[in-house]
Amino acid sequence: DGGITQSPKYLFRKEGQNVTLSCEQNLNHDAMYWYRQDPGQGLRLIYYSQIVNDFQKGDIAEGYSVSREKKESFPLTVTSAQKNPTAFYLCASSPTGDNEKLFFGSGTQLSVL
Amino acid sequence: AQSVTQLDSHVSVSEGTPVLLRCNYSSSYSPSLFWYVQHPNKGLQLLLKYTSAATLVKGINGFEAEFKKSETSFHLTKPSAHMSDAAEYFCVVSGVGGGNKLTFGTGTQLKVEL
Repeated sequence: DGGITQSPKYLFRKEGQNVTLSCEQNLNHDAMYWYRQDPGQGLRLIYYSQIVNDFQKGDIAEGYSVSREKKESFPLTVTSAQKNPTAFYLCASSPTGDNEKLFFGSGTQLSVL
Repeated sequence: AQSVTQLDSHVSVSEGTPVLLRCNYSSSYSPSLFWYVQHPNKGLQLLLKYTSAATLVKGINGFEAEFKKSETSFHLTKPSAHMSDAAEYFCVVSGVGGGNKLTFGTGTQLKVEL
């Protein structure tokens, strides 16, 4: 059953803590993306990766970090430097990085304790 | 630069009546345009995509959209709403260049009533 799996579905962060959101895909897609969704706003791009071992900052990268050591995996770390981390985080992938159809995971809701 | 404006944050229709979700865009290039749907606490799913071929694009679940360059619009329509259509809908415009240059609208929440 092909697709994108995000975990956990819900995550809570304490002050000063780093947390990592998982994103795995078995679609053999080259490109992967992380978006942040806030109520009443469109999705905003945090980071994207067009190929293994390479990634670029999106529009709101401050306070976040990523890695792309494997084609299937693109974890996102929300660091303590991100002062307003409460949001719904969506991971997506596409066959290439050329604005083709995006396939989305079901998201992770991050909240601050 | 590119932008997209969804003109209605909430739309309410009765089941069996037509749906119209409005979207206007701005782009320096010939854009690609998309409509995505998001059900509660889920990821987004592509409804349809325009890429400079036919101006009337048919998508999944009976939805379609018409690209009107003169009006810079890409409105989403469906002849007859179903309860399962209740969701949030996003209009998206793509830019030019490497990587992902998608700009998302702020979304339209569609409510379908009996």
